[in-house]
Amino acid sequence: GAVVSQHPSRVICKSGTSVKIECRSLDFQATTMFWYRQFPKQSLMLMATSNEGSKATYEQGVEKDKFLINHASLTLSTLTVTSAHPEDSSFYICSARDSGSGGTYEQYFGPGTRLTVT
Amino acid sequence: GENVEQHPSTLSVQEGDSAVIKCTYSDSASNYFPWYKQELGKGPQLIIDIRSNVGEKKDQRIAVTLNKTAKHFSLHITETQPEDSAVYFCAKGGWGKLQFGAGTQVVVTP
Repeated sequence: GAVVSQHPSRVICKSGTSVKIECRSLDFQATTMFWYRQFPKQSLMLMATSNEGSKATYEQGVEKDKFLINHASLTLSTLTVTSAHPEDSSFYICSARDSGSGGTYEQYFGPGTRLTVT
Repeated sequence: GENVEQHPSTLSVQEGDSAVIKCTYSDSASNYFPWYKQELGKGPQLIIDIRSNVGEKKDQRIAVTLNKTAKHFSLHITETQPEDSAVYFCAKGGWGKLQFGAGTQVVVTP
């Protein structure tokens, strides 16, 4: 149980284009999902909190117009990197909290998406 | 940066020995303390967690201890195996977001 998937696992795009990353909770419902970015040999940095049916909450310094988040259902959140630049190249990871477990703190992570912007 | 201090940054142990990683924090609001294992190129995997009303929790070879007064918590891995080699992250939080430590690269040598 508690499986989170991400698609794609790897993506290469040209500078100036946009790329969408999907995060799905496969066997549970998640009213809250989180998007992280991780640079090589560094820790996870929270970018935004995605809430089903409402606007995402972005961390300080994260451009909401550049990193568009849509949490349209209880099992799917998407992150769109718009007008990507080489400095956006990173490992993007989502996590989801099981909203049906009667009060759980646990966050379950997806396998990550490696984005390379050329 | 992180609001959780994690030490050591790297840890080399002989197979069969124990590994201990310690994290400290400063706030009083956090009441949930998970540990994640991350293998190269993969997402973090929750391996054990503890809530603030518990001082210790054990799951086979893995245990976590929490000292809420001193604001530190530790991960203990006993009888280490080569497959335990990975980066381990501590985190703190609650209903809201998690804050992660910087990570510990654990290398278990046969």
